[in-house]
Amino acid sequence: SAVISQKPSRDICQRGTSLTIQCQVDSQVTMMFWYRQQPGQSLTLIATANQGSEATYESGFVIDKFPISRPNLTFSTLTVSNMSPEDSSIYLCSVEDTGGQPQHFGDGTRLSIL
Amino acid sequence: DAKTTQPPSMDCAEGRAANLPCNHSTISGNEYVYWYRQIHSQGPQYIIHGLKNNETNEMASLIITEDRKSSTLILPHATLRDTAVYYCIVRDGDSWGKLQFGAGTQVVVTP
Repeated sequence: SAVISQKPSRDICQRGTSLTIQCQVDSQVTMMFWYRQQPGQSLTLIATANQGSEATYESGFVIDKFPISRPNLTFSTLTVSNMSPEDSSIYLCSVEDTGGQPQHFGDGTRLSIL
Repeated sequence: DAKTTQPPSMDCAEGRAANLPCNHSTISGNEYVYWYRQIHSQGPQYIIHGLKNNETNEMASLIITEDRKSSTLILPHATLRDTAVYYCIVRDGDSWGKLQFGAGTQVVVTP
């Protein structure tokens, strides 16, 4: 399976600032996704990162808060904008190459906002 | 709406088989059953998936009932490293994308 690297692995940020998380895959993949895992909770899909077009967001998530880029088939970024303590979560990138095949996940970015 | 139901927690003795149940009574004909696990501080790890036949790989076995309304993940010889949250997910076999994670089962393997 693809090797997925996320940077940073963790960060502590000030309220009102923004942070960009990077996801790099060691091979070209068709689909890339971003999930959020709030403390003690399960994973929730934020959006699908589409190469060459705007990301597709799930209900409850908006582009102004979570802008996403996907410039090629191996890389994507998620920005968490104007952060508040409620944004303290683990943010995970996942990839999928063929419809119906398993998704594979990075180890996430653990974000704490003070 | 939750598509699967799992017990919140299970304990298992090291070296013994761990049998993790999952109910998915509303599963449709083209939906697969996927299992993932999440070890603390790591991303979810894919374990196995199946449609209607039993499946086995190097990590686990998946037993799906004939009516497909439930399944069991079997870890044949549990080790301490198998302590994790295990997620059972149903997903359309022809679709991309969304994995709907429930609360999962917290499995603790004890010496």
